[in-house]
Amino acid sequence: DGGITQSPKYLFRKEGQNVTLSCEQNLNHDAMYWYRQDPGQGLRLIYYSQIVNDFQKGDIAEGYSVSREKKESFPLTVTSAQKNPTAFYLCASRKQEQNTEAFFGQGTRLTVV
Amino acid sequence: QKEVEQDPGPLSVPEGAIVSLNCTYSNSAFQYFMWYRQYSRKGPELLMYTYSSGNKEDGRFTAQVDKSSKYISLFIRDSQPSDSATYLCAGPAAGNKLTFGGGTRVLVKP
Repeated sequence: DGGITQSPKYLFRKEGQNVTLSCEQNLNHDAMYWYRQDPGQGLRLIYYSQIVNDFQKGDIAEGYSVSREKKESFPLTVTSAQKNPTAFYLCASRKQEQNTEAFFGQGTRLTVV
Repeated sequence: QKEVEQDPGPLSVPEGAIVSLNCTYSNSAFQYFMWYRQYSRKGPELLMYTYSSGNKEDGRFTAQVDKSSKYISLFIRDSQPSDSATYLCAGPAAGNKLTFGGGTRVLVKP
């Protein structure tokens, strides 16, 4: 089945540690996105990539890093510089053409302990 | 001003009622809109997408766009407890991005 897979579903991080969230898609989509969602709030864009080996900062990129070495994969690293990393992280992908819908993974809940 | 805005709710209705959800948008260039449903602790799933003005119907769901007033709506007929979720509207943004409303939480009571 085609889709987007995020792992792990739950992740615990100690303060000062970097952690990497995985996002893999087999939809053959060029564009991939990372969003952060806090309780009761909407989606805020962290980073996005429209093509392999290229990515752009979103609205809240500070404290995060990404890579796009393969079309299928867009991992997100939450660094120790991110002061308030506890949140629900969502990965999405879509076709490159305008006016196309995005498809989401099931999310990773990151908690700082 | 946010590009897409929604009332956060919660919106509570009895089972069987019509749920009416609304978003306003600021960019008159938007021509394509989406509605997503998100259950607690899950990723959003696409419900409907629609181009420009007019209605689009899919089962119990109707999406409506009024470009003159920059208003998009989602109606859920014969609502069920399983419709209890957060509903997000979305529109296109520069750089092949999507911009999302903050979501409206809906509670359908049996």
